[in-house]
Order: sequence, then structure tokens, then C-alpha cells
Amino acid sequence: GQQLNQSPQSMFIQEGEDVSMNCTSSSIFNTWLWYKQDPGEGPVLLIALYKAGELTSNGRLTAQFGITRKDSFLNISASIPSDVGIYFCAGQPGSGAGSYQLTFGKGTKLSVIP
Amino acid sequence: DTEVTQTPKHLVMGMTNKKSLKCEQHMGHRAMYWYKQKAKKPPELMFVYSYEKLSINESVPSRFSPECPNSSLLNLHLHALQPEDSALYLCASSRPASDEQFFGPGTRLTVL
Repeated sequence: GQQLNQSPQSMFIQEGEDVSMNCTSSSIFNTWLWYKQDPGEGPVLLIALYKAGELTSNGRLTAQFGITRKDSFLNISASIPSDVGIYFCAGQPGSGAGSYQLTFGKGTKLSVIP
Repeated sequence: DTEVTQTPKHLVMGMTNKKSLKCEQHMGHRAMYWYKQKAKKPPELMFVYSYEKLSINESVPSRFSPECPNSSLLNLHLHALQPEDSALYLCASSRPASDEQFFGPGTRLTVL
């Protein structure tokens, strides 16, 4: 099946620093989603991307849908302690929206040092 | 109402018990999902209901039995589980033809 390579696996940063993480695939995706999950909670949708080249912001978060449709990145600017958590990318491969089956990356665990 | 709710938050059960997990959403979403998530892993899809009909079963063992009584409710009935079934069980929902899935807070299940 489809696989997403998400990197880095984990990162430790100082409060106030910018963060970047990305997901790549060997095949084309029609949709890219970015989620954040706090310990013991469900994932929260941060940003959804639907068009190649699309750049979308949500507060301090910015995500882009790669031109090749095989990658996406998420940037967090001026990190704060509440940014701590696991960030998952997820994609909808191939044939179009609404086929229900998302492919998830393995997650990036972010730690912020005050 | 813009959230997915799940009950209970935590559940401990023995291998001979029967229990149920419940999920509710009032966003008018017509697709609902059950996922299983082990520690430090991404969610794994178990079941999908579309318009109250089971549309995807990802080869889940029969000791997990889903039910969708109406468009707002989703249940997962558990029977004769194994310790390896201990995990966070997540419910999600989405609008028709949308890939944006909204997750509930999960039920932390421990099987003794």
C-alpha cells in the first residue's frame, strides 16, 4: 500500500525557534492533511491542502502542497511550549476526495525547551 | 456543535467481558470511522460507515463489532478481547466527499 515518509522523527527546539517538518511519498496524493496530537488525546486537524503548490497558513503554522504532489511540509514559526506534541501528516492518494482511506505518516514528536 | 465526543474516556476490561465504546457527532457528517492507535504509532483504520452503512472493514477480527444506529452515533462492541487489543480507540467523522476527518478524544482501552 501507500507509504508516507515523515521526517524528522523527533526534534528538540528552543522556545521561539522556527520548526519545519515534511512528508514525502513515492506516489501522487490528492490531499494533504496535517494533524497535531497531544498525549492521550485525539488528533486535531491543523491544515488541509487540496491543490498542488497551495500554501496555507493557520496562525503561526504554514503548510504547502508540493508541486509534484508527492510531498508536503509544515512550518511552525516562533514556537511556544504548547506546540509540544506529535504532528502527523496524512494524505489521500490517487483517485479523488472522499474515498475515506487516509495514509498517515509515522509522526514527528516535537519538544520545546522553554 | 463542532466536535466528536467519545465515551468512556478510559475502559479496563477482562478478556471475558463484553463492553461497548460510543461515539457521537452533531456536525451532520455522513461518514464515521473507527481507528485503533498503539503508542507512538499513527492511527490505523478499522471500520468506515458511510450513510449508516458499513463500507470498509479493514480485516478486523470479529471480536470487534461496529454498529451505526443513526447518522450521529457510532458504537464499537467488544467481546473476548486479547491483551494486545489494548490501545487508544479513536472515532472520527467527515462530510460526504471530503477528506478532512475530525477526531474525537479517544477511549483508552486496557484489556487484562
